Parts: sequence; C-alpha cells; structure tokens
Amino acid sequence: QVTLKESGPALVKPTQTLTLTCTFSGFSLSTTGMRVNWIRQPPGKALEWLARIDWDDDKFYSTSLKTRLTISKDTSKNQVVLTMTNMDPVDTATYYCVRGHPLLSSWGQGTLVTVSS
Amino acid sequence: DIQMTQSPSSLSASVGDRVTITCQASQDITNYLNWYQQKPGKAPKLLIYDTSSLETGVPSRFSGSGFGTDFTLTINNLQPEDIATYYCQQFENLPSFGPGTKVDIK
Repeated sequence: QVTLKESGPALVKPTQTLTLTCTFSGFSLSTTGMRVNWIRQPPGKALEWLARIDWDDDKFYSTSLKTRLTISKDTSKNQVVLTMTNMDPVDTATYYCVRGHPLLSSWGQGTLVTVSS
Repeated sequence: DIQMTQSPSSLSASVGDRVTITCQASQDITNYLNWYQQKPGKAPKLLIYDTSSLETGVPSRFSGSGFGTDFTLTINNLQPEDIATYYCQQFENLPSFGPGTKVDIK
C-alpha cells in the first residue's frame, strides 16, 4: 500500500524559507520509473504543480517558481524535501506530496502552510 | 507553459442527469490529459488518464474524450457522491491544471 505524508511548519513569516518533508512508504524512489511531485492549492483555489524529482535524480520545476524552489530526495529514509525561499502571504496553501508522472496516482493528505507575520 | 481552461466553472444538476465538463489546452497536447476529482476537504483523486482511460475502481458512469486541444469529461447518471470539483491536467510539458469545475446537486 502506497502512503505519503507531508510534514513541516504550519506557520511561516514573510521572507522566511519553507522546508517541507514528504515521508512515503510502499515504494522506493530508487526504483526505475518512480517519481514524486509537490503540488499546492491555495484556499478555495486551483491546484498548482510545483516540482518533481525522479528516481534518477532528475529534477523539474515550475517555470514561474523555479528560482525559489529546491527539491531533493533521501532514498534511504524514503523522503523527499521541498524548500521554498522568500515566502509571501500569497504562498499560503495546502501543499501536497504526490507520487507519479504522468499519472498523479497517489496523494498525501496535504499540509496547510500559512504565511503571516 | 501550457495554459488550461475549463468550463463551466460550476454547475448544478439533478441526480440521474448527464453532466459534461470541457477542458481546453492553449496548444496541442495530443491525448496527454488526465482528470481528477476532489471532494471537499480531501486530496484530489485520479479519475481518468490519457484522456479516456478509467482509473481502477472508478465507476463506469465517468468517461473522457478529446484530442489535441479540446477535451470532455462526462458523468452519466449523476450520483450524490459525485459532488466534487473536477480538474483537468496536461502532461505534454511541465504539468499544469485547469481552474476546476465545481459540481453540485440541485
């Protein structure tokens, strides 16, 4: 059974750096073809894809946010980490960790991050 | 980047109705399109992939069609449990989602 769970701060201040961790089970990110994404959703708004890391350590970023994002993996811990710099109130959203590409087949429950001073 | 649009943004229909949601891509994405269902307070769930293939466990009243830039999600015989927001997503390039269509029951 595949599970993913996001963890990180619920509240960050403007200009701070956000670090989110996705801890997963039921698959290995060292297996060929495995991929993990980060996707976010501001309250009441649409989904926005942020970044993806592949089994071979290829990394892909949203064009509009790539200067602020870094994605990495720790295969031994079954974790994927996303950092987002220079947080702003407009970055308030639920952040999801999602397995797969092109099918976003398994989603974490999401973690709400609020950006406020 | 490829932009996705959806219409309508919301709709209200009766149980048993046929519901159609359209999705349009800003450029040709062949059949590189998925649909997701998101119920209130929950994470999205994959519904249809590659334009028309039903994910395992998804009821057959859901169907998808289209090619190129224009796509459709159809729900036949709408059920109360279909109340949700539906998103299309392209994967021809870096993934992007449509703005969503909220479906309610009259």
